[in-house]
Amino acid sequence: EDKVVQSPLSLVVHEGDTVTLNCSYEVTNFRSLLWYKQEKKAPTFLFMLTSSGIEKKSGRLSSILDNKELFSILNITATQTGDSAVYLCAAVYVNAGGTSYGKLTFGQGTILTVHP
Amino acid sequence: DAGVIQSPRHEVTEMGQEVTLRCKPISGHDYLFWYRQTMMRGLELLIYFNNNVPIDDSGMPEDRFSAKMPNASFSTLKIQPSEPRDSAVYFCASSLGDRGINYGYTFGSGTRLTVV
Repeated sequence: EDKVVQSPLSLVVHEGDTVTLNCSYEVTNFRSLLWYKQEKKAPTFLFMLTSSGIEKKSGRLSSILDNKELFSILNITATQTGDSAVYLCAAVYVNAGGTSYGKLTFGQGTILTVHP
Repeated sequence: DAGVIQSPRHEVTEMGQEVTLRCKPISGHDYLFWYRQTMMRGLELLIYFNNNVPIDDSGMPEDRFSAKMPNASFSTLKIQPSEPRDSAVYFCASSLGDRGINYGYTFGSGTRLTVV
């Protein structure tokens, strides 16, 4: 069964701290891994990772994938209260024929709380 | 671009009643996904469509759930009869071809369903 596991499930830090969120996956026909940030409403897209070892960066956020050990990490440096959210990772896989740009399997999410 | 539009935003219904959730994907997107989010199970894929055709409905929990996509700009998720355990936030998402894999899927704001 396809599985995506995130850790920790929740994290409380103070502004300025650096956090590392983890995501491991076991997915057949794996294509890519996505990171989302979810505040009160819909998840919003952060990163897509396909290639192992290549870091994606956006401001204080960065992410990297290891597709041999089947995990990804999301780093947030110098955290701010506005970073408080649920961070979701999702594995994307296509069917064996590669013709269907198929499903996302989500992890449970990491609830990040940043205190002033 | 108005994004993915879902209605209603909130729905409270009594057990046994029929509930219909609606989704308008982004114009031109050819993939549409229905997800359910609960605290216990996180985000789960229920069903997805490609060019209005259901591709994978293996996530639909039971026969009480049904989904249709009569045209490219409209989809419904129906629960009949509803039960308290169906209470969740239901998200619709859409994407164009493989852009969903590379740039993330666009989620609607969700419908919060409460069955009492």
